[in-house]
Amino acid sequence: QSALTQPPSASGSPGQSVTISCTGTSSDVGGYNYVSWYQQHPGKAPKLMIYEVSKRPSGVPDRFSGSKSGNTASLTVSGLQAEDEADYYCSSYAGSNNFVFGTGTKVTVL
Amino acid sequence: QVQLVQSGAEVKKPGASVKVSCKASGYTFTSYGISWVRQAPGQGLEWMGWISAYNGDTNYAQKLQGRVTMTTDTSTSTAYMELRSLRSDDTAVYYCARYPRDYGDYHFDYWGQGTLVTVSS
Repeated sequence: QSALTQPPSASGSPGQSVTISCTGTSSDVGGYNYVSWYQQHPGKAPKLMIYEVSKRPSGVPDRFSGSKSGNTASLTVSGLQAEDEADYYCSSYAGSNNFVFGTGTKVTVL
Repeated sequence: QVQLVQSGAEVKKPGASVKVSCKASGYTFTSYGISWVRQAPGQGLEWMGWISAYNGDTNYAQKLQGRVTMTTDTSTSTAYMELRSLRSDDTAVYYCARYPRDYGDYHFDYWGQGTLVTVSS
C-alpha cells in the first residue's frame, strides 16, 4: 500500500485560507468515504480534525472543512490562525481493516 | 475522559525485540479497537496494524507481517505491540490510537502520547 500523496508544504497569512490535497487511488480515497485528517504539532501526538471526509469532531473549529472528489480529498483551513501552524496528515481506509496515511503537509502561517 | 497512556522510551540493539504498552481509561475498553502507528524521525505517519479489544482479531500492515504482534489484556485495559528482529530503520515514535471500528467509524479518535524506540548498536 503506497502512501497517499500530499504537497510537502502550504502557507497563508493570518485570516487567509489554505487548502491541502490528498491523492490516492480507487482502492483507498476513491473507494471509501472514510478519509480523515490529523493535525500534529512538533513533539505532540496527532489530533483528529476531520473524519468521514467532512465531519468535524466535537471541539474542532468550523474553520476546518473537508471534501472529496474522485481519488483526491482536500482539507481547507479558513481564517488561518497562528495555532494552525502544524503538520497535517490525511488517512484513508483501504478495505479489510487496512489504512494508509498521506505523506504529510507542513502548514506555515506567514 | 478518554486517555491512552503509553510506556516509556526504549533503547534496543539490532535483532532484539521491544514491547510497548498502551493503557486505556475513560471508556469501555472492549468496545473499541486499538491501532498502532509509527513515525520515524522527521518522517510521516505509518499505519502498523489493528487489534480488536473485543475478540483479539488482528490485521497487520503487509510490510510488518511476521515481525509484529498486537495483543490486549482486558483485565487491565491495556494493549501491547511487540516488534521483533529490530533494525535501525525501526527507530521511531510508536503511537497507539483508539479505533471505533465496531461503531462503523474508520478513523483514530484518541491517541497515546507516543513511545520513542531507538534501535542502535
